[in-house]
This record gives sequence, structure tokens and C-alpha cells, in this order.
Amino acid sequence: AQSVTQLGSHVSVSEGALVLLRCNYSSSVPPYLFWYVQYPNQGLQLLLKYTSAATLVKGINGFEAEFKKSETSFHLTKPSAHMSDAAEYFCAVSDLAGNTGKLIFGQGTTLQVKP
Amino acid sequence: DGGITQSPKYLFRKEGQNVTLSCEQNLNHDAMYWYRQDPGQGLRLIYYSQIVNDFQKGDIAEGYSVSREKKESFPLTVTSAQKNPTAFYLCASSIRQGIYGYTFGSGTRLTVV
Repeated sequence: AQSVTQLGSHVSVSEGALVLLRCNYSSSVPPYLFWYVQYPNQGLQLLLKYTSAATLVKGINGFEAEFKKSETSFHLTKPSAHMSDAAEYFCAVSDLAGNTGKLIFGQGTTLQVKP
Repeated sequence: DGGITQSPKYLFRKEGQNVTLSCEQNLNHDAMYWYRQDPGQGLRLIYYSQIVNDFQKGDIAEGYSVSREKKESFPLTVTSAQKNPTAFYLCASSIRQGIYGYTFGSGTRLTVV
């Protein structure tokens, strides 16, 4: 079965520091992977997606993620954190093996940005 | 602009009452989903529908019901059988296989008073 693990439920960085949010996946077929961001009391917004093209994926707001098959990872990074990046971030994998069309979500990581 | 609309944004319900949350999309997506979100518990799937007039239970379907009579609409009813309904509810839609991800609505916060 496909699954997603996000390492660290809370991550705190200083403004201007590197942001690194970790995501590992388990999949029996080549995965489609996603990162979403959620601000308080709002829905989830797609940051970026990997669909088997380039392994380095660039998204909105300066975020990017690298697909590493050997490490089964899809970590999200941003070179310099901004206060507006404070939010909850979800990694997800598409359930292609089960052919349900569902996304399997990680538990989420809350990013705190300190001034 | 195409999108997915949830209404109302905030909803208050008395114990013992059923309440229906609306979800409408004009993206021509085949599939629609309902999630419940509680602090520290991520997203939990309640129901999903891949085509009109068909839907499947998710991980926490007890106390909830849905219908999918139109492609654009996927309302969720929270029944009195749901023991702890206070939560943030999210609706989403996708093309049938979900390979391009979901589009989410802005959510409905339900509070039982």
C-alpha cells in the first residue's frame, strides 16, 4: 500500500534561513507526488507536483522539491524563509496502485518562522 | 473562474440535529472528496465519489452521508449519529485518476453547541 511519512510535526526556522520539510513515501509503482500548503482556516493550496518529468520541481512562492527514487524522498525546500511562509504543509502521493484516484496525505508539518 | 465552493464558511448545530454542508465545483472534474480535519490529526477521508450516482466510504464514514446526483455537487450530511462532529470540513475535486492532484474548497467549520 502506498503511504507518506512527514518527519517532524513542527519545524521552526528564523526569517531568512533555509526551510527544509521532509517527506518520505512508499509506493509499489512510480509515484505522483504533491506538496500542499494550508493557512489557518483555509483550504489546501497546491505548491508543486512531481509527475515523472524533471526530478527537481519548482513551485509557487519560491519553493522547490527534489524527487529521489533511491531515498524514496520528496523533501520541500526554500532558500530563505519569509514570515508569510508560516503555515501547515502536507505531502501527498497519488494512489495509482489502488487505482482509486485518491491522494494519500501525510500528517502535516507546521512551519513556524521567527523574526 | 473555475473553482470549488463550500458553504457556509461557519456553521453551528445543536446536538441531535442533522446538518448539510454544500460543495459545488465548476471544473468539470469527475471525482469529489470530503475530508475532516482536526488539530494534530491531518486529513481524514470521509467519503469520495469518482462518478455521478456512485460513492464510496472513506476511513471515517460513520455518522455521515453523501449524495452525488450531479457532477458539480457533492453535499455532505452530518447526522446526529456522528458522536463528535465539531471539526473543519474540506471538500476537494480532481480528474478521475487524481494524477494531477486535488483542488480544494476553502472549508466549512462546524461547531456543535
